[in-house]
Amino acid sequence: GENVEQHPSTLSVQEGDSAVIKCTYSDSASNYFPWYKQELGKRPQLIIDIRSNVGEKKDQRIAVTLNKTAKHFSLHITETQPEDSAVYFCAASIGAAGNKLTFGGGTRVLVKP
Amino acid sequence: ETGVTQSPTHLIKTRGQQVTLRCSSQSGHNTVSWYQQALGQGPQFIFQYYREEENGRGNFPPRFSGLQFPNYSSELNVNALELDDSALYLCATQPYGTGINVGELFFGEGSRLTVL
Repeated sequence: GENVEQHPSTLSVQEGDSAVIKCTYSDSASNYFPWYKQELGKRPQLIIDIRSNVGEKKDQRIAVTLNKTAKHFSLHITETQPEDSAVYFCAASIGAAGNKLTFGGGTRVLVKP
Repeated sequence: ETGVTQSPTHLIKTRGQQVTLRCSSQSGHNTVSWYQQALGQGPQFIFQYYREEENGRGNFPPRFSGLQFPNYSSELNVNALELDDSALYLCATQPYGTGINVGELFFGEGSRLTVL
């Protein structure tokens, strides 16, 4: 089955700096890659996603890149703010309909004011 | 607010007992998935239901079972509880079909189960 590795497990950045989280996946058939943000005691919430027919996607301060050949994808957060502090999860799945996501282990991001 | 509600929010059980967790689906979402999230880890896929039938299962033993009802709400049942079953159980719903926005899962707040 699919296996998703996520690095780093913790990331501390100064407010205003950029944060980058990297994930690799094992199944070349995976074609949908969402990123979820989970604040303490809260539900995971989708922040951005990318499909395998796209190499990069951006939404305001966040962007995701996908390298299908290398089977890795990354989340970039620019101009970090204290409210960006949370745990971020990458995930992968095969097929957009009826998603069964395989999640990475998570990255705890701390933005220091 | 996603419209996905789960109950109970917290519960404590002892080893060997059985537990039922419930999830009500967001309007228009006919697919429901269950995930187990152990402390400090990413969610792990348990199974998915579509049109009241199991539509895929992760690496979980048969003592994890589920149901989906005609109104698309769902139950997760776990028999013979073990200490390692202690986790946050997340329900996630989505509309089934093709389309640009089908991929997003809408999670509930979860049910935190502690097994003593």
